[in-house]
Amino acid sequence: GENVEQHPSTLSVQEGDSAVIKCTYSDSASNYFPWYKQELGKRPQLIIDIRSNVGEKKDQRIAVTLNKTAKHFSLHITETQPEDSAVYFCAALTRGFQKLVFGTGTRLLVSP
Amino acid sequence: EPEVTQTPSHQVTQMGQEVILRCVPISNHLYFYWYRQILGQKVEFLVSFYNNEISEKSEIFDDQFSVERPDGSNFTLKIRSTKLEDSAMYFCASQGGGHPYEQYFGPGTRLTVT
Repeated sequence: GENVEQHPSTLSVQEGDSAVIKCTYSDSASNYFPWYKQELGKRPQLIIDIRSNVGEKKDQRIAVTLNKTAKHFSLHITETQPEDSAVYFCAALTRGFQKLVFGTGTRLLVSP
Repeated sequence: EPEVTQTPSHQVTQMGQEVILRCVPISNHLYFYWYRQILGQKVEFLVSFYNNEISEKSEIFDDQFSVERPDGSNFTLKIRSTKLEDSAMYFCASQGGGHPYEQYFGPGTRLTVT
């Protein structure tokens, strides 16, 4: 079945550093790739997404890149702040809006 | 901004009991989903629902689970006979309107089976 792998599982950075989280997906028919931030006990919150007809998208300190050939996509956070600390999940939407397949999550810790 | 809502926020039940988790999706959305998240783990797909029928379900969604859209606004998940391993956070999501790909998640229902 469809699968999304995510690395690393934990990431510790100093405030102001950059953070990069990487995902690979298996279903070549996937065409939409969102990233969610989840704080403890809360719902996943969409922070950025990318569609398959675009290679890169940026929103202030956050950017996402997509390589459809390699089936890789990555989240880049620049100038990290302590409030960026959370669990981040990548996901891929399967053909026909059937479902989101989530990665296993990355716990990001930004130290002041 | 419209939001997906879910009730209750926390449900405690005994093993073997039936539970119904309720969701009100965003009103002009057409696709509805249930996901679950066991504590500390990833979000897992349970079922998708479109045009008043299930469009896909995972292997987790066995005969103990059912979904219903009893009226134009509610979307429910029923677990017929709960097991300890059903303890998790259950998220409802809806999709459609002006953002055809984005899924909007509700705040979740924490189900605790004792």
